[in-house]
Amino acid sequence: NAGVTQTPKFRVLKTGQSMTLLCAQDMNHEYMYWYRQDPGMGLRLIHYSVGEGTTAKGEVPDGYNVSRLKKQNFLLGLESAAPSQTSVYFCASSYFGGWGSYNEQFFGPGTRLTVL
Amino acid sequence: DAKTTQPPSMDCAEGRAANLPCNHSTISGNEYVYWYRQIHSQGPQYIIHGLKNNETNEMASLIITEDRKSSTLILPHATLRDTAVYYCIVRVGNQFYFGTGTSLTVIP
Repeated sequence: NAGVTQTPKFRVLKTGQSMTLLCAQDMNHEYMYWYRQDPGMGLRLIHYSVGEGTTAKGEVPDGYNVSRLKKQNFLLGLESAAPSQTSVYFCASSYFGGWGSYNEQFFGPGTRLTVL
Repeated sequence: DAKTTQPPSMDCAEGRAANLPCNHSTISGNEYVYWYRQIHSQGPQYIIHGLKNNETNEMASLIITEDRKSSTLILPHATLRDTAVYYCIVRVGNQFYFGTGTSLTVIP
């Protein structure tokens, strides 16, 4: 199993450009998440999905959109990139996440995005 | 407001126990505490989680105070490979809230 993979690993954008980050998991997990990590800080949740065709906002959703058309894929889009979106982006997935349940998240290797 | 508070850094001698504290004073009764670690900016890795009782697995032990306002992660015999940033995380519903983490350095 490849686990959680992210494409691309690195990207440099100019302000105003758009791009899509792809996350794929082969563990048949229901839940998927997108986080961003800024220097010296912990991860912050951008958006998440509790199943195919569903998405929800996390802690810092502004400036991002997501889609979950297939269970194994979770896409993160930046429509008009800004320098404040320079960060490392991590995708994660988990089997289940309901209240009171065990919910280990498996993380991908990250995408390093720089917006000039 | 941060849901967890951790010391920014700690050192531990190789072979000794590493005790990493975390304050989560606003946690509610059904919110789990999770611990993950991040090595060299890789994706975080799960260590352990708990709700009320103390927990132990092959990697670590988790001690949660009776009032659930704080917890301690214990690595019983730290090795050089345990050098990493350790995150105490509160899970609220479907969202995980990471703190700023503790950078643990294991010294030979």
